[in-house]
Amino acid sequence: GQQLNQSPQSMFIQEGEDVSMNCTSSSIFNTWLWYKQEPGEGPVLLIALYKAGELTSNGRLTAQFGITRKDSFLNISASIPSDVGIYFCAGPPLYTGANSKLTFGKGITLSVRP
Amino acid sequence: DAGVIQSPRHEVTEMGQEVTLRCKPISGHDYLFWYRQTMMRGLELLIYFNNNVPIDDSGMPEDRFSAKMPNASFSTLKIQPSEPRDSAVYFCASSFSRQRGAFYEQYFGPGTRLTVT
Repeated sequence: GQQLNQSPQSMFIQEGEDVSMNCTSSSIFNTWLWYKQEPGEGPVLLIALYKAGELTSNGRLTAQFGITRKDSFLNISASIPSDVGIYFCAGPPLYTGANSKLTFGKGITLSVRP
Repeated sequence: DAGVIQSPRHEVTEMGQEVTLRCKPISGHDYLFWYRQTMMRGLELLIYFNNNVPIDDSGMPEDRFSAKMPNASFSTLKIQPSEPRDSAVYFCASSFSRQRGAFYEQYFGPGTRLTVT
């Protein structure tokens, strides 16, 4: 199936730092979503993007839908300890049509040192 | 508002036993999804329903798995007989389609951690 690539697997940052993570694919996506998962919980939707070039913020989080439609970026500014978790990108490849399955990346585990 | 509710949160069972996982979607949502999460394979969609009707079950691993949605507020995922390789976290999610793209804005439950020994 279609792969969404997220790397590195883990990131370690100091509290207060900004962090950027990206998600890439070899196929075009028409929607990008970013989820966060904390231990023992289900993924929580952070941001949804629907248009190439779109930049959307949710508090300290900002995400962008890449111009090529093959990538997306998530930035977290001024990180705090509660930002710890696994960040997943997800989306439906364009070729799969409307209301098709979401493909999820493997996720990036973020650790924040106080 | 209540989110997606799943029960049980943890299930430990012996190989060969029947397991039933339960889900209550967010009220008003017309799509319901069942996912499985493992370290090796990540999040995988098993099946999804629209207005209680199964739309795509191509992710269901084999005949041992079945899912039902008897009404808009309840769904079950059943494994019979269970095997150790079924051990995973199973998530239920729901969304609504009233707005373009909202189908993809899926809201997940807390999951059921299944261990088959």
